[in-house]
Amino acid sequence: GENVEQHPSTLSVQEGDSAVIKCTYSDSASNYFPWYKQELGKRPQLIIDIRSNVGEKKDQRIAVTLNKTAKHFSLHITETQPEDSAVYFCAAAPGGYQKVTFGIGTKLQVIP
Amino acid sequence: DAGVIQSPRHEVTEMGQEVTLRCKPISGHDYLFWYRQTMMRGLELLIYFNNNVPIDDSGMPEDRFSAKMPNASFSTLKIQPSEPRDSAVYFCASSPPAGAGANVLTFGAGSRLTVL
Repeated sequence: GENVEQHPSTLSVQEGDSAVIKCTYSDSASNYFPWYKQELGKRPQLIIDIRSNVGEKKDQRIAVTLNKTAKHFSLHITETQPEDSAVYFCAAAPGGYQKVTFGIGTKLQVIP
Repeated sequence: DAGVIQSPRHEVTEMGQEVTLRCKPISGHDYLFWYRQTMMRGLELLIYFNNNVPIDDSGMPEDRFSAKMPNASFSTLKIQPSEPRDSAVYFCASSPPAGAGANVLTFGAGSRLTVL
C-alpha cells in the first residue's frame, strides 16, 4: 500500500517568514495530493490539493509543488501569520481509488 | 448541509466495555471513512465504504473492531471489548462520488475515546 513520509515533524518560524513542509510517497499510481490543516482540538480541513496533471498550484499565500519523477511534493506558506499555527498533514491517493493515506503531520508554530 | 455529524463527542469508558461511535455523512456523499488519530501514529485509515459496502478494512486493528453502514446516512464503529490502547480520537469523513470532487474528504468533529 501507499506510504507517505513527511518532514519536519515540528517547525517554528518568525511571523512574516516562509514555511516549507515536504512529503514523499511510495506508490507511483498516486495522482491526488491534498494538504489538510488541523488546529488544536479541531477537525482536519482541506486547504489545498494538487492532481498529477499539474506541477504547481497556488492559492494566495499557500502553494504546492509536485515532482512525480522524484515522488515528492511540498507545501509552501509565505508571509506566515500567527493563525497559520496548526498541524499540517500531507496525503496521497491513487488514481481511481478513494483511499487517502496521510503523512504523520507537521506542527507549525508561527512566533509573533 | 450540517456537514459530517459524529456522536458522541467524548466517551470515557472502562476496559472491557463495548463502545459504539456513530456517524452521519454529508447527503450525496457516497464514500464514508473511519480514521483513528493518535500522537504516535497520526491519522490511520481503519475502513472505508462506498455506497454502504465496505471496500477496504485492512486498517482495522483486530477483531475487536467492527464497522457497519446499514444505509446511506448512518455508520457505526464498534469496539468490543475496549482496551486502554484504543484511546484516541476517531474521525469519520465522507467524500463525493468519483468526479471533480473525488477524494476530497470532509471530516466530522471527531469522537474522543478514553478507555480507563
